[in-house]
Amino acid sequence: EVQLVESGGGLEQPGRSQRLSCTASGFTFGDYTMSWFRQAPGKGLEWIGLIRSLASGGTTEYAAFVKGRFSISRDDSRSIAYLQMNSLKAEDTAVYYCSRHTHYYTSIGWNSEYFQHWGQGTLVTVSS
Amino acid sequence: QSVLTQPPSVSGAPGQRVTISCTGSSSNIGARYDVHWYQQVPGTAPKVLIYGNNNRPSGVPARFSGSQSGSAASLAITGLQAEDEADYYCQSYDSSLSGWVFGGGTKLTVL
Repeated sequence: EVQLVESGGGLEQPGRSQRLSCTASGFTFGDYTMSWFRQAPGKGLEWIGLIRSLASGGTTEYAAFVKGRFSISRDDSRSIAYLQMNSLKAEDTAVYYCSRHTHYYTSIGWNSEYFQHWGQGTLVTVSS
Repeated sequence: QSVLTQPPSVSGAPGQRVTISCTGSSSNIGARYDVHWYQQVPGTAPKVLIYGNNNRPSGVPARFSGSQSGSAASLAITGLQAEDEADYYCQSYDSSLSGWVFGGGTKLTVL
């Protein structure tokens, strides 16, 4: 069974940094692209960024709002994906989720992906 | 302001059919990027209901179905049950933003 467990959330002051972890089990972690999402209180879901498998280059991509403040990395030997958040702001307060990409082929033959497996989320509160 | 537009709320009585719309643009749904639908019970993680416009993952009841046409998509739920009360989100990929985008979410109330 695929399991994703986020950790590392909690209360942090504005301007400080925080690193979240996503520990995976039940699948070969190194074979998959992983994404991070967040959901502010009472708001919708927002994609933060992804990290591809090493076989796919291990590259990262980020949503525009990240603007260099967040970075994603992975440790395949420990089956963990990380989200490093710097210069935290009050508006970063949210539940943060990690998710594993699931690939499929669309009706027109494109290689696409969706998010079948999610962690339970970890709450990050940014406040002085 | 979400890139994909959903109605804030819909409602229906048990047993009825409801639909939730998701309107995009030429850089996402209209560009033939597939739409996926997620159900989220408050306080829990999202769960995928539909992927690739109209495909149900194993374990999702056939009461849930999806469709797509042009720059829009919709989720239909038939035979409404009390347990369907949740928030529903559509998702696609946007080539202008080079990333995944969501609708603002629709709260389904079962009357």
